[in-house]
Amino acid sequence: GAGVSQSPSNKVTEKGKDVELRCDPISGHTALYWYRQRLGQGLEFLIYFQGNSAPDKSGLPSDRFSAERTGESVSTLTIQRTQQEDSAVYLCASSPQTGTNSPLHFGNGTRLTVT
Amino acid sequence: QQQVKQSPQSLIVQKGGISIINCAYENTAFDYFPWYQQFPGKGPALLIAIRPDVSEKKEGRFTISFNKSAKQFSLHIMDSQPGDSATYFCAASKGGFQKLVFGTGTRLLVSP
Repeated sequence: GAGVSQSPSNKVTEKGKDVELRCDPISGHTALYWYRQRLGQGLEFLIYFQGNSAPDKSGLPSDRFSAERTGESVSTLTIQRTQQEDSAVYLCASSPQTGTNSPLHFGNGTRLTVT
Repeated sequence: QQQVKQSPQSLIVQKGGISIINCAYENTAFDYFPWYQQFPGKGPALLIAIRPDVSEKKEGRFTISFNKSAKQFSLHIMDSQPGDSATYFCAASKGGFQKLVFGTGTRLLVSP
């Protein structure tokens, strides 16, 4: 079936505006992750959802960042009052279950540019 | 605090040569060490992974060498091909979870 789908693929926004990034995981994948990739850097963990358990939000950089997931499907990452340092590629990944026996499947990301 | 240090930042290898990328970690609780390959405009894809109970894992032309005492692991790409040109990331996690800590990446260029 289809892989992880992210939308939009590109987003340009003005400083101070709110943005919503969407992730459609692979059907049946119970675990969903958001990572951020700044230019020339590795990926930074943001948040993790597993089934109906409370999400692990330990990687969110500030209270301007939040994410939701509807059941075991779509997830939305929201950034409020965007700042220039929020410019990055935001990657979503899903896996069939929690744990390192299930590889992560990444989407192609949303490239966010804050002007 | 960067917990996984990756080197080199960039690498040029001739076709047929061996590409070697190194990573060092600090947290001895890490128990899962994957390597990801990323092409421009695409998300990373898992290439190969190792756990600390083995010192080496080979899959085709890709080999991970793991040195637990030195807290280092490396990726070797044998018979490198132009199609291997990509950015490679090492990563680590603990507790059996995919909450990965990534290195900063190595941009590999394999010249024809």
